[in-house]
Amino acid sequence: SQTIHQWPATLVQPVGSPLSLECTVEGTSNPNLYWYRQAAGRGLQLLFYSVGIGQISSEVPQNLSASRPQDRQFILSSKKLLLSDSGFYLCAWSSGQGGNSPLHFGNGTRLTVT
Amino acid sequence: AQRVTQPEKLLSVFKGAPVELKCNYSYSGSPELFWYVQYSRQRLQLLLRHISRESIKGFTADLNKGETSFHLKKPFAQEEDSAMYYCALSGTTSGTYKYIFGTGTRLKVLA
Repeated sequence: SQTIHQWPATLVQPVGSPLSLECTVEGTSNPNLYWYRQAAGRGLQLLFYSVGIGQISSEVPQNLSASRPQDRQFILSSKKLLLSDSGFYLCAWSSGQGGNSPLHFGNGTRLTVT
Repeated sequence: AQRVTQPEKLLSVFKGAPVELKCNYSYSGSPELFWYVQYSRQRLQLLLRHISRESIKGFTADLNKGETSFHLKKPFAQEEDSAMYYCALSGTTSGTYKYIFGTGTRLKVLA
């Protein structure tokens, strides 16, 4: 069966420090991968998605970047964190077999920038 | 532009009462619609999708293309239905499916 792992679960970082959040998927190959940010009252905001190794599409201009160095690995990064980067980050995958393929989410990372 | 609107941030109902969580969407093509649920301390998970036309945990949702709505309904609410519910649509951009979510509705079922 397919599983998705996301870590760390919580992270407290000072302003100006770098960020690296990692997500891996097991049990499937060539998944579509997604990073979302979940904020109270604002729903889930799509940040990045990827359909293959090295292929990254950004949805909103911001202080973050994403990379996909391996087929089932998706990384969210920042060189210098801002206070506004605080939030709950979710990684997800889909099979990419069509629009009715559902998203499968990780447990999320709670990031607090101080 | 693709958009999903959930007008209610919070919906409180008594146990045994009917529930309807509203969802309206804006999309130029033929989207796929989903409902996701997040129970306390659990990950966000799929509840149902319109293409399956299924009932999950007593919930159903009908796609109304004329009204561009995909409301979630349950005839008799249970306390364990208390959770955060998100409506989402899937649409293609250059052949890749993107999933757009609404802002969510918190359902509280009161004893």
